[in-house]
Amino acid sequence: DAGVTQSPTHLIKTRGQQVTLRCSPISGHKSVSWYQQVLGQGPQFIFQYYEKEERGRGNFPDRFSARQFPNYSSELNVNALLLGDSALYLCASSLQDRGLTEAFFGQGTRLTVV
Amino acid sequence: KQEVTQIPAALSVPEGENLVLNCSFTDSAIYNLQWFRQDPGKGLTSLLLIQSSQREQTSGRLNASLDKSSGRSTLYIAASQPGDSATYLCAVGSLSGNTPLVFGKGTRLSVIA
Repeated sequence: DAGVTQSPTHLIKTRGQQVTLRCSPISGHKSVSWYQQVLGQGPQFIFQYYEKEERGRGNFPDRFSARQFPNYSSELNVNALLLGDSALYLCASSLQDRGLTEAFFGQGTRLTVV
Repeated sequence: KQEVTQIPAALSVPEGENLVLNCSFTDSAIYNLQWFRQDPGKGLTSLLLIQSSQREQTSGRLNASLDKSSGRSTLYIAASQPGDSATYLCAVGSLSGNTPLVFGKGTRLSVIA
């Protein structure tokens, strides 16, 4: 079975640009969550979607947005990129809502803003 | 607000040694606790999931315990190997708030051959 897949694996953007990151959950998983991890820190929660509805939002500015599609895949969009947005972006999928069941993570997307 | 702390931040041990990583959390109202491994620049690999009603879980050389009332969990690694070198992250599924998982900063483990 395929695990959680994220694309792209790496990308470099210029300040002020926009970026879209993609995530495909494990087959049958209806919950997708996004996390940002800067070097030396633990992942910080950005968004969670369950059954295509937003279930939670972390303490991130409105430049960050996300959505979940009917096939449960998800996109994370970041507008007006800042240097501080450089990080590893992680996607997690799980069977149920919230933290009820085991979370499985993708390999991440390394975003560098120059 | 749930906060998760991991001690120590870094640990270096000789191959073959048994070791314990510590995780503490401030709010005992949790669904579960999950331990992850992260290799440099990579995603997270789930190691063990402990439900709030459980006291411990085992997988191979790994054993994780949970004491919900005291807000503590430990990850025990037996007979450590150089391949165990990685960062180990503890994450709590908290009943309060809207965050699926609250993470600690991790413990960076180096096992020296």
